[in-house]
Amino acid sequence: DQQVKQNSPSLSVQEGRISILNCDYTNSMFDYFLWYKKYPAEGPTFLISISSIKDKNEDGRFTVFLNKSAKHLSLHIVPSQPGDSAVYFCAASTGTASKLTFGTGTRLQVTL
Amino acid sequence: GAGVSQSPSNKVTEKGKDVELRCDPISGHTALYWYRQSLGQGLEFLIYFQGNSAPDKSGLPSDRFSAERTGGSVSTLTIQRTQQEDSAVYLCASSPTGKGYTFGSGTRLTVV
Repeated sequence: DQQVKQNSPSLSVQEGRISILNCDYTNSMFDYFLWYKKYPAEGPTFLISISSIKDKNEDGRFTVFLNKSAKHLSLHIVPSQPGDSAVYFCAASTGTASKLTFGTGTRLQVTL
Repeated sequence: GAGVSQSPSNKVTEKGKDVELRCDPISGHTALYWYRQSLGQGLEFLIYFQGNSAPDKSGLPSDRFSAERTGGSVSTLTIQRTQQEDSAVYLCASSPTGKGYTFGSGTRLTVV
C-alpha cells in the first residue's frame, strides 16, 4: 500500500524554465511533508518542508504547495539549473511521529 | 564527525551469509533511523531508535533483520541468512529532534 505516490518517474526541463514535481498521498493523518533531493551515490538531502497548517512555503528558488483537500503537494523550482538534476523524493509524517513515508522518487533532468 | 557515516559503502555477499552494516550518527542526535531503497523503489522504513525508548521495529521485513544501537550512538543493522531480495541500498539517518533527518551515503548491499 503506497501511501505516498510520485506518479512521474522522470521529468526533463530546460535550464531557466520551471520544474514542477508532483506528489499525492492517501493517509489523511499526514500533517508534515518534506522534499528530499538525492544525487547518485549520496544520501538524500533535505530540501524544503511544509506543515499542514500552511498551503505554501518558499525558500529561494524552491516553493512547495500543499492542497489538503486533494491530498496533493508539488515542488516548484524556478529557474531550473543543471545542478538541480537529481532524484527528488516526497515524504510525509503524522503528528509527532518522526517516521517518514517516502514516495518512489522523480528523476529530474535539467537540460542546457 | 560532521555527518552520518556508514560502513561499508559497498558489500557483496553470498546468499545465506550474515552481514552487518554500521551507522555512526551525528554526535548528539538522539534519533536514528534505518531505511532501504531497492531498485526502482522509494525509501522503505526499517527501524527507528529514539533515545532510551524501545525501538520502532515495525518496518523490519522479516525476523532475519535486527538492529542495535549501543550507548545511544552507533547502530548496527544485521541481516542473517541473506537472500537476493535483500539487495538494496541501506540508508541510515539521524536527527536531533525526530524531524529534519540527515542521511548517510548508504551501504550498497549485493547478495549473489
